[in-house]
Amino acid sequence: GENVEQHPSTLSVQEGDSAVIKCTYSDSASNYFPWYKQELGKRPQLIIDIRSNVGEKKDQRIAVTLNKTAKHFSLHITETQPEDSAVYFCAASRQAGTALIFGKGTTLSVSS
Amino acid sequence: DAGITQSPRHKVTETGTPVTLRCHQTENHRYMYWYRQDPGHGLRLIHYSYGVKDTDKGEVSDGYSVSRSKTEDFLLTLESATSSQTSVYFCAIRPELNSPLHFGNGTRLTVT
Repeated sequence: GENVEQHPSTLSVQEGDSAVIKCTYSDSASNYFPWYKQELGKRPQLIIDIRSNVGEKKDQRIAVTLNKTAKHFSLHITETQPEDSAVYFCAASRQAGTALIFGKGTTLSVSS
Repeated sequence: DAGITQSPRHKVTETGTPVTLRCHQTENHRYMYWYRQDPGHGLRLIHYSYGVKDTDKGEVSDGYSVSRSKTEDFLLTLESATSSQTSVYFCAIRPELNSPLHFGNGTRLTVT
């Protein structure tokens, strides 16, 4: 089955800096890659997703890149703000599959 | 909240007792999921359903069973709860394949 590795497990940045979180997946048939943000005590919420027919997607300060050959995808947050502090999860879903498998999460801390 | 209700929100139970968690959706979506969240492990898939009476195992299904007799309800049962099943349990729904998951608010289960 699919296995998703996520790095780093913790990331501390200064306000205004960029943050990058990386994930690798094992199943070459995976074709859907969402990212979720979870604030303390709350449910995970989707922030951006990308499908395998696209190499990059951007939404304001957030961008995701996908390298299907290397089987890895990354989340980029620019101009970080204290409210970006949260746990971020990547996930992968195989083509026509129903299971969505998550990485173990990255705790991002943005200090002002 | 994407029309998802989890009940109960909190439960404390004793080792060896049966426990059933309920996920109710109002969106009539086909796909429903149960995940557990533990520190250091992220979100791990327990079971999922792709229709009434159609379910499949996830990554950590041992000790859990599920039932889906109606589109709107997906039940997770711990036949004989153990302390290792102390966790936060999230239900999620998915409108279609390769679309985002929408999570419920979670159930915090403590097994003493």
